Amino acid sequence: SQQGEEDPQALSIQEGENATMNCSYKTSINNLQWYRQNSGRGLVHLILIRSNEREKHSGRLRVTLDTSKKSSSLLITASRAADTASYFCATVWFSSGSARQLTFGSGTQLTVLP
Amino acid sequence: DGGITQSPKYLFRKEGQNVTLSCEQNLNHDAMYWYRQDPGQGLRLIYYSQIVNDFQKGDIAEGYSVSREKKESFPLTVTSAQKNPTAFYLCASSETYSNQPQHFGDGTRLSIL
Repeated sequence: SQQGEEDPQALSIQEGENATMNCSYKTSINNLQWYRQNSGRGLVHLILIRSNEREKHSGRLRVTLDTSKKSSSLLITASRAADTASYFCATVWFSSGSARQLTFGSGTQLTVLP
Repeated sequence: DGGITQSPKYLFRKEGQNVTLSCEQNLNHDAMYWYRQDPGQGLRLIYYSQIVNDFQKGDIAEGYSVSREKKESFPLTVTSAQKNPTAFYLCASSETYSNQPQHFGDGTRLSIL
């Protein structure tokens, strides 16, 4: 399976601290995406990084991609209680022919304590 | 506002009953998807549609059926053949079936009576 795996499964930090989540995957990818899911809600797209990019920023989010290690990390700086959510990485990869598959990992549950 | 609407938010199924989950989008997206999420798990793809009148099986299609008669609608039927239907079901769409980000609805939670 191409499914990405997030690490750690759960993370608890104090407000103002930085949170780092990691994602590993198995085969070559076209791009990697990070999503956030608040409890009982749908997923919200955060950031997309292409296979030829190494780092990307969006507000307090920083994503890195290391294709040689088949891994990515999501850094949330100066965390807030509102950042409490599950974070998923999803990889876009090619199956037979030109078809593309988006496969989600099992997520990291982040809790930011006030 | 553009978005994806799933209904109902909660649904209960009796033994031997088929139930249909609704998904409507007004984003003018060509591609639509159905995912299943079990507690503490990631998303697993049930079915996807690249364009109207077309759909393909995902990783866990057994016991489910879909239709795509209109661009904006992609209903999912959970049939009685699905023996473990209790889960959170998420519908998503993207501009095309490609590497674009997906937009999600707020899900339907299905339980067994």
